[in-house]
Amino acid sequence: GAVVSQHPSWVICKSGTSVKIECRSLDFQATTMFWYRQFPKQSLMLMATSNEGSKATYEQGVEKDKFLINHASLTLSTLTVTSAHPEDSSFYICSARIGYNEQFFGPGTRLTVL
Amino acid sequence: EDQVTQSPEALRLQEGESSSLNCSYTVSGLRGLFWYRQDPGKGPEFLFTLYSAGEEKEKERLKATLTKKESFLHITAPKPEDSATYLCAVRRSNYQLIWGAGTKLIIKP
Repeated sequence: GAVVSQHPSWVICKSGTSVKIECRSLDFQATTMFWYRQFPKQSLMLMATSNEGSKATYEQGVEKDKFLINHASLTLSTLTVTSAHPEDSSFYICSARIGYNEQFFGPGTRLTVL
Repeated sequence: EDQVTQSPEALRLQEGESSSLNCSYTVSGLRGLFWYRQDPGKGPEFLFTLYSAGEEKEKERLKATLTKKESFLHITAPKPEDSATYLCAVRRSNYQLIWGAGTKLIIKP
């Protein structure tokens, strides 16, 4: 149980384009979903917290107009990187949580912006 | 200031050589300490949650323990497949997580 999927697993795009990443909880309904980014050899950096049906809460320094988060249902959250640039290249990971219990992570999405 | 410090940054062991990873924390109102394993290019995999000092949990060759200031992840007779980065996180009274930088564990056959 507690499986979280992400799609796509990797994406390469041109600078200036937008990229959408999906995060799904497959066998449970997640009250809260989280989006992280991780640079090579570094730990997880929380970008935003998303609750179903409400606006996401962004961490300090994360541009909400650039990283659009939609949490349309208890099993789906999406992260859209708008007008992506090479510096947005990173490993993006989502996680989902039931109540205040442990978070379960997706497999991650490797974004490369050319 | 709330913080989580993991040590060592990296640890190389021979197969079968037992050791421990450390996670030291300072946090106001601990609401749980979590251990995760992360393989390269993958998302973290949940291992354990510990809530109170003295608590211990085991899974295969791993055992996690908790005191009021730190947690240890003991690995007994490790195998090469145990090689990964092990992440520790603590949850504050407002339910936010604070992550450590991780310990990269390498088990040589």
